[in-house]
Formats: sequence, C-alpha cells, structure tokens
Amino acid sequence: EAGVAQSPRYKIIEKRQSVAFWCNPISGHATLYWYQQILGQGPKLLIQFQNNGVVDDSQLPKDRFSAERLKGVDSTLKIQPAKLEDSAVYLCASSLVGLAGRADTQYFGPGTRLTVL
Amino acid sequence: QKEVEQNSGPLSVPEGAIASLNCTYSDRGSQSFFWYRQYSGKSPELIMFIYSNGDKEDGRFTAQLNKASQYVSLLIRDSQPSDSATYLCAVDRDNYGQNFVFGPGTRLSVLP
Repeated sequence: EAGVAQSPRYKIIEKRQSVAFWCNPISGHATLYWYQQILGQGPKLLIQFQNNGVVDDSQLPKDRFSAERLKGVDSTLKIQPAKLEDSAVYLCASSLVGLAGRADTQYFGPGTRLTVL
Repeated sequence: QKEVEQNSGPLSVPEGAIASLNCTYSDRGSQSFFWYRQYSGKSPELIMFIYSNGDKEDGRFTAQLNKASQYVSLLIRDSQPSDSATYLCAVDRDNYGQNFVFGPGTRLSVLP
C-alpha cells in the first residue's frame, strides 16, 4: 500500500513570496490533515478535511494560509505572503474515518521543509 | 495550562533499561491517546494507541492510561540505541476523532 505522498520535499523562498505544497493521501482515507512542525516542537494542526469538507481550521492563519481538497482526494496548502516565522516542516497526514468516539491512526507523509529567508 | 504536556528531555537511559515517558492532558473528555515516535528529520510514526484505563502491551512497549489523573505514559523495556528518538503524545479531545492535539515531545537517548 502506497503511503502519503508530499511534494516538494524542500523549498526555500524569500519573505513575502508565495509557496504551495501538495499532498496525496493513502487511497481510501477520507480524513486529511495538514500540520506545521517548528523545530523542537510537536506538530500543530492547521486544517483537517473529511472528504472535501473542512472539519477544523481554527489554527489556520487565514490571512495568509489557504488549503483546499478537491474531489476529496489530493490537497494543496498555500502560503501567501510568507513570513520568516513560517519556516517549518509541513506535514500531511491521512486516516480512515474513525468510529464514533475513537480517532483512527494517522499516517504521515515525509513532510515539506520550508525555509523562509 | 497547555493542552498536552510532556517533559522535553532529553531523557537518557542506558541500553537494556526501562525508559518511562509521561504525558498529561487538560481536557477531561479526551477519549483516544496515541504515542508516535519521530526520528530526527523524519515524520512521526505510530507506536501504539490506547482508549481504556489500564495497561496495553505491544512487544517491548507498554502504554498506561489513567483518565482520572489525566495521565498517559509509555514504557519501553530493554531499551535499544535504535529507540533514540523524540516521542510524541497525541490526544483526541472530543468524541468524534476530529480534535487532535500533539504534545511537544520528549527526546529519548539510549546510551550504548
């Protein structure tokens, strides 16, 4: 079974530029997550989709970040314009829809390491 | 109070010893608890999950959950240098599997 795919793996941009990340989840996984992981910290949830609907985007800085999941499969996360503090690893994860009262296992992609200069 | 707390470490144990990693959470309604391992420069990978109070064993790993104390732990028996990594505690805060929070992680170093 193929895992979660992400691209690019690395990206270096200057502040105020825009950048986009792509994620392809495991086939059949209805739930997709985007996390931001700053060095030395745990992953912070930015947005969660179930199929192509947004479940939680409460921690997404909506003035500069946007995300979409077309047709309930692939997803893109965009930052425009980027700031220095956006330097982090952006992780995509996917999971099956859990039973009521139970979260299902999340499988992570390799991540995209973003450096903003 | 942070939602999920862990000692940042590093926690150093000798090879063959038991490593004990602790996690506390603030939302008493949390239902599901996960331990992920993250090697430096890699993405997190699931070690095990626990839903019910008590112990759950999987090979050298044992997860312990005490919902009354809002405490979950991970024990690693016969620690190996290959266990050296950051261990992330993750908590599902609601009843619908849709409110996931990671702790900051504990860095474990197993010394040969």
